[in-house]
Amino acid sequence: ETGVTQTPRHLVMGMTNKKSLKCEQHLGHNAMYWYKQSAKKPLELMFVYNFKEQTENNSVPSRFSPECPNSSHLFLHLHTLQPEDSALYLCASSQLLGTSDSEQYFGPGTRLTVT
Amino acid sequence: AQTVTQSQPEMSVQEAETVTLSCTYDTSESDYYLFWYKQPPSRQMILVIRQEAYKQQNATENRFSVNFQKAAKSFSLKISDSQLGDAAMYFCAFIGGNQFYFGTGTSLTVIP
Repeated sequence: ETGVTQTPRHLVMGMTNKKSLKCEQHLGHNAMYWYKQSAKKPLELMFVYNFKEQTENNSVPSRFSPECPNSSHLFLHLHTLQPEDSALYLCASSQLLGTSDSEQYFGPGTRLTVT
Repeated sequence: AQTVTQSQPEMSVQEAETVTLSCTYDTSESDYYLFWYKQPPSRQMILVIRQEAYKQQNATENRFSVNFQKAAKSFSLKISDSQLGDAAMYFCAFIGGNQFYFGTGTSLTVIP
């Protein structure tokens, strides 16, 4: 497989559930990102990992917990979510951070619905 | 604060015609990068074109070109000879100083 893959593509969960989103990149990149995409709002950057180290956490609630075991995999662990957390969650990767090689390649996203 | 503004929520263009999508940004960074991304309905977001701020020459990729006005902090995307497959949401993005900002997007409709 090539590019950036995300699983599952669709997820419906109750507010008391615990679930995880998975992202995998096959591009040999060193930086990975989680974004939240809601209708009529700009993409919201949630977390950034560079060489497996978290470099950004944009005031994301603790009910979202990222994990980056290696440069190719990124997880987003979810627990006790709220209905307003329903959105498309996008994963992206880039070769490097903050340089001319920082163009990001996106996965297809996970459509999350919290009931 | 650094921001990216796309003032056109929706645009339409006749097939084979040319359309320009606007984007302005605000930053205090001197070194940064600008991108246009395309997100077709229910499909993956893909990079259309990118521009390094230090380059004066406008980037071009086949039918896609930009008009980069650094002093005005403007970064518009021109799509020539529009095709039905160009219908999508288009996002302008700014990356500078390890900060990433996207605009709210412009929904482009291509009329056959």
